[in-house]
Amino acid sequence: GEDVEQSLFLSVREGDSSVINCTYTDSSSTYLYWYKQEPGAGLQLLTYIFSNMDMKQDQRLTVLLNKKDKHLSLRIADTQTGDSAIYFCAESKAAGNKLTFGGGTRVLVKP
Amino acid sequence: NAGVTQTPKFQVLKTGQSMTLQCAQDMNHNSMYWYRQDPGMGLRLIYYSASEGTTDKGEVPNGYNVSRLNKREFSLRLESAAPSQTSVYFCASSEAYGGARGYTFGSGTRLTVV
Repeated sequence: GEDVEQSLFLSVREGDSSVINCTYTDSSSTYLYWYKQEPGAGLQLLTYIFSNMDMKQDQRLTVLLNKKDKHLSLRIADTQTGDSAIYFCAESKAAGNKLTFGGGTRVLVKP
Repeated sequence: NAGVTQTPKFQVLKTGQSMTLQCAQDMNHNSMYWYRQDPGMGLRLIYYSASEGTTDKGEVPNGYNVSRLNKREFSLRLESAAPSQTSVYFCASSEAYGGARGYTFGSGTRLTVV
């Protein structure tokens, strides 16, 4: 079956880099996503990567995909207090449009 | 450019009461979803509608019903609320073949059943 797993918590100092990790089990996953949820708000799409890519960079965000190990990571450079949130990874398959979400990683940025 | 709008934002129900959570999207998306979010459980899919006129069960459908009223609106009904249904409920929508665009989420309904 489908399963997406993330670590529960990450603490990082302001200005440092954050790395959030995610593993998934379904090798047919086509798109992999990172969503951000700020307190009291819905989920907001941060970035995505297609399964035939190894890396995608978007300003302070770098997504790395190791398809062989089914491992996805999100690196946030120069982490700011506004980056404190819950980050969810998610995957979907080519044939459909349902997303499977991980349990979320709570990131706390300390000044 | 409202995106996905959910009402109400907050609700307190007594056990056994019924209510309907409303969701509307203005992006002409074909597919809509209802999720619940509980601490430590991530997001769990309750029901989804791949297109207007169709609905399907997700991971945790028991105790809920849905109606895809038209392309814009997808409602979630609790017929007899239970304390186990205390949660934050999110509606989302996507294009028929979401691909890179993923989902657009509403801001959530915080429901407490006492």
